[in-house]
Amino acid sequence: DTAVSQTPKYLVTQMGNDKSIKCEQNLGHDTMYWYKQDSKKFLKIMFSYNNKELIINETVPNRFSPKSPDKAHLNLHINSLELGDSAVYFCASSQRGLAGDDEQFFGPGTRLTVL
Amino acid sequence: AQRVTQPEKLLSVFKGAPVELKCNYSYSGSPELFWYVQYSRQRLQLLLRHISRESIKGFTADLNKGETSFHLKKPFAQEEDSAMYYCALGGFGNEKLTFGTGTRLTIIP
Repeated sequence: DTAVSQTPKYLVTQMGNDKSIKCEQNLGHDTMYWYKQDSKKFLKIMFSYNNKELIINETVPNRFSPKSPDKAHLNLHINSLELGDSAVYFCASSQRGLAGDDEQFFGPGTRLTVL
Repeated sequence: AQRVTQPEKLLSVFKGAPVELKCNYSYSGSPELFWYVQYSRQRLQLLLRHISRESIKGFTADLNKGETSFHLKKPFAQEEDSAMYYCALGGFGNEKLTFGTGTRLTIIP
């Protein structure tokens, strides 16, 4: 009964390709997030959605497009992948829409390697 | 702007010795501070938050608004404490959680 799940766990692809990472939470939370963790382990928020509505968009290139078909899912699509996109991407969710005072529950991460 | 600083990237401590992981923050509003931990091969998870004033796994953290710090402490380190620790800053009504760069804690047997 995994709370926040992501697929795939590992993704290796060539530069210029388009790829998607999926995230699902079964906690009944209202808000979901995508974080990027770079090679130096720096964890930075990319997007957040509250009830399918985009709340946070942290100056991420347009090549990254989140999609939330319902409040339990938040997928991340990346167009024209670049070498610098190689990182671990974490999905997270929180109960309410205001993450600043709410515990976040994280997925296991997706390690993306762009060759 | 909100910012979190964890000055130590790596910290090694002998088993049984006290542990202190430093965290300083910058925030204009009323802060909410958290410590998240990632053990080897496990997902990132909440360790403790200042508002709870709890001791989790022997760890405590006190919010010092004067020094804008939220250092994580444990009096006697255990081997299972080896992990990556992230300090995170939010705030009531603030939609964003900002993470520090993390400190990798290694407990030496």
